[in-house]
Amino acid sequence: SYVLTQAPSVSVAPGKTARITCGGDNIGGKSVHWYQQKPGQAPVLVIHYDTDRASGIPDRFSGSNSGNTATLTIGRVEAGDEADYFCQVWDSTSDHQVFGGGTKLTVL
Amino acid sequence: EVRLVESGGGKVQPGGSLRLSCAASGFKFNNYWMHWVRQAPGKGLVWVSRINGEGTTTTYADSVKGRFTISRDNAKDTLYLQMNSLRAEDTAVYYCARFQGGGSSDAFDIWGQGIMVTVSS
Repeated sequence: SYVLTQAPSVSVAPGKTARITCGGDNIGGKSVHWYQQKPGQAPVLVIHYDTDRASGIPDRFSGSNSGNTATLTIGRVEAGDEADYFCQVWDSTSDHQVFGGGTKLTVL
Repeated sequence: EVRLVESGGGKVQPGGSLRLSCAASGFKFNNYWMHWVRQAPGKGLVWVSRINGEGTTTTYADSVKGRFTISRDNAKDTLYLQMNSLRAEDTAVYYCARFQGGGSSDAFDIWGQGIMVTVSS
């Protein structure tokens, strides 16, 4: 089955840029979606189709996808961005949706 | 307002059954594929199952195939997950989620608040 690999944690100072990666075999050939989940809350779609911001998401959030790595970039990080972030793709071989293990973003 | 509200969770003994419901509002329910996604305590998101708008096509994760059944009642704008032969490893928060498009490569654009299922003796 298709595996998406995310680092367990990323730390960044307020006002700096955070980069959260999602690794997978030729993930650049797939559509990658990113979700933000704060403690005790449901996930929220932030980036879909690799680069498109979901409705209501500030332009500090951006995405890219190439080769074996997709990246969620958060510019001018704020305390409110502290959350878990998950990537997701469709695995055509199994016809299953697949999530990465998630990355906890800590704002120092 | 587009909304999904889950119900039916709780504590059940191993081997038991539970049926989750997800009431949809604010959108044309039968136009959308709907999914269930679960999250064990302190863990990541795991896809469970999906059903098409007409309720005629379903898919399951290997871990629940043969034990769980997804269904929908479009007249009631409600999605269901019948869970049988429950195991301790099924303990999780279960989310229903709307799939934003008609293709398999789309994203989950609307999520319910989640409902806790605990399998324990």
